[in-house]
Amino acid sequence: EVQLVESGGGLVQPGRSLKLSCAASGFTFSNYGMAWVRQAPTKGLEWVATISYDGSSTYYRDSVKGRFTISRDNAKSTLYLQMDSLRSEDTATYYCALHGYYPFAYWGQGTLVTVSS
Amino acid sequence: DVLMTQTPVSLPVSLGGQVSISCRSSQSLVHSDGNTYLHWYLQKPGQSPQLLIYRVSNRFSGVPDRFSGSGSGTDFTLKISRVEPEDLGVYYCLQSTHFPDTFGAGTKLELK
Repeated sequence: EVQLVESGGGLVQPGRSLKLSCAASGFTFSNYGMAWVRQAPTKGLEWVATISYDGSSTYYRDSVKGRFTISRDNAKSTLYLQMDSLRSEDTATYYCALHGYYPFAYWGQGTLVTVSS
Repeated sequence: DVLMTQTPVSLPVSLGGQVSISCRSSQSLVHSDGNTYLHWYLQKPGQSPQLLIYRVSNRFSGVPDRFSGSGSGTDFTLKISRVEPEDLGVYYCLQSTHFPDTFGAGTKLELK
């Protein structure tokens, strides 16, 4: 059974940093691309970033490019999202998702990031 | 970015009934490889989204055949027949033909 468990969310001040993790199990992590998708409170879904199966390719939405970094450790079956220079508009629940032939096929339960002073 | 417009925003339904949700894109979703990357998700209350339909009309693993997707170009539809209580929630369409991937704003399926 595919399991994705996010962690690392919390309350952070504007301009500060936070690093999210997503622990994967139940599948061969190193064979699949992964992604982060966020959802602001009571809002819809917004793709944030994607990383290829081996980490060689990464893609970001414009609003986070240069501030967020997606990475992975295939030995640990873990996905990361380093978030720097956080803004109030980054406040959201962040989901990691298995992303490959089947788009965003499996999702974690999400971790809430609140950017506020 | 490709704008995905879902209608209606809210959709009251009776259990056992049939409904349709529309998703229209601001440009054609036919990729240069010939595929159309339009997908559907359901987010049940308090849960994470789940994939229902990928590439217009293909049901994902475990999705009942009460769900069906159709459409082409810029106009797509998700149909749900014999609605059951576990079908309630917010439905989203997603396009991944053009960068960046963009979701529709959602359609809330609720009991009449």
